[in-house]
Amino acid sequence: AQSVSQHNHHVILSEAASLELGCNYSYGGTVNLFWYVQYPGQHLQLLLKYFSGDPLVKGIKGFEAEFIKSKFSFNLRKPSVQWSDTAEYFCAVNWGAGNMLTFGGGTRLMVKP
Amino acid sequence: SAVISQKPSRDICQRGTSLTIQCQVDSQVTMMFWYRQQPGQSLTLIATANQGSEATYESGFVIDKFPISRPNLTFSTLTVSNMSPEDSSIYLCSVSWGEGMNTEAFFGQGTRLTVV
Repeated sequence: AQSVSQHNHHVILSEAASLELGCNYSYGGTVNLFWYVQYPGQHLQLLLKYFSGDPLVKGIKGFEAEFIKSKFSFNLRKPSVQWSDTAEYFCAVNWGAGNMLTFGGGTRLMVKP
Repeated sequence: SAVISQKPSRDICQRGTSLTIQCQVDSQVTMMFWYRQQPGQSLTLIATANQGSEATYESGFVIDKFPISRPNLTFSTLTVSNMSPEDSSIYLCSVSWGEGMNTEAFFGQGTRLTVV
């Protein structure tokens, strides 16, 4: 079965630290890749997405992600986190069949002021 | 983009009862999806709601427990039947927006269900 893995379940950082959250998926076919964020008490919001083209994609709020096809990975990065980035981050993959998303387990990020 | 409204936003229900969650989209969409997010966990797809045909359920979810309606291209309901405390979760409606592979998902604000 197709699956999405996020390696870090909980991450605690100080403000201004750099962030990298790992995401790997199990299938090597054509994929669309997404990162969603869920701030406390709020609904899911799209941070960024990759469909094709430049494997380095930039999203909102200074986030970026790099698609490495050979590693089946789509890691999320931010050079300098802020307290307001405290949230849960979900990687999701669409393998095209039916357009539904398969989500990773999520990474809960806490940024200390 | 698509704007999705879910009702109710939250509810506390007695075990053994049923709750119907409504999802309204501001545009016509072909595919609507229902997800469950159990406490402290990620999202799991329950089923795909197809207009004009029966919903397609994922492994571990059955129609008797989670009946779904999709009467038109802008509306769907999910019923959580014969509830138990294990059904306490956030239930989310989602739609795919775009064409072919270049689609992205939009989510409603979710329905937070607590079963007591």
